[in-house]
Amino acid sequence: DIQMTQSPSSLSASVGDRVTITCRAGQTIGTYLNWYQQKPGKAPRLLIYAASSLQSGVPSRFSGSGSGPDFTLTISSLQPEDFATYYCQQSYSATWTFGQGTKVEIK
Amino acid sequence: QVQLQESGPGLVKPSGTLSLTCAVSAGSISSTHWWTWVRQPPGKGLEWIGEIYHSGTTNYNPSLKSRVTILLDKSNNQFSLKLTSVTAADTAIYYCARKASVAGTAYYGLDVWGQGTTVTVSS
Repeated sequence: DIQMTQSPSSLSASVGDRVTITCRAGQTIGTYLNWYQQKPGKAPRLLIYAASSLQSGVPSRFSGSGSGPDFTLTISSLQPEDFATYYCQQSYSATWTFGQGTKVEIK
Repeated sequence: QVQLQESGPGLVKPSGTLSLTCAVSAGSISSTHWWTWVRQPPGKGLEWIGEIYHSGTTNYNPSLKSRVTILLDKSNNQFSLKLTSVTAADTAIYYCARKASVAGTAYYGLDVWGQGTTVTVSS
């Protein structure tokens, strides 16, 4: 299994803040990295694929970067609808794994 | 727009078998996609369970492989999950999802999800 480690596990931020979440893979995975957003009681939603490409319909305030083992998800100006839990997930191996999640809460 | 809907018993006894079905609508299960199961224990993160291709090829989470079977039912345009010898640790929301090539690239993501179904393992 390829282990995925996110940090922080949770963070508090205000509307308008710039937020950065990191994800580290247990081995090199190129850019085979996806990010998902999950709101309470809802299924996850694909935000970013291939480490930095925005899924159709996702606001441009979301961006991703990185390759190899280290990746980041950035929200340039946090909006009220962005308070949620974010997961990274590797698609490098035949068996996929998720990070443990980062909960973004209102300060 | 493809839609997915999970169904199955909400309560399973310990040592029993968990059986769920995911119905695919507005699309064909025989299309060139992988069909996936993901679960989420209460208050915890996401765990990838496994997937099946339209050809019947499967991949399973190594930690669950001895207990998991995913099957296609092309006649009913649905796929299923069976998890044997369940314990309380298998209590979770179970999601089905479509794994697809995103924007026609070589990269894949879970781009369509069902709403999820809660399964509790208890006597």
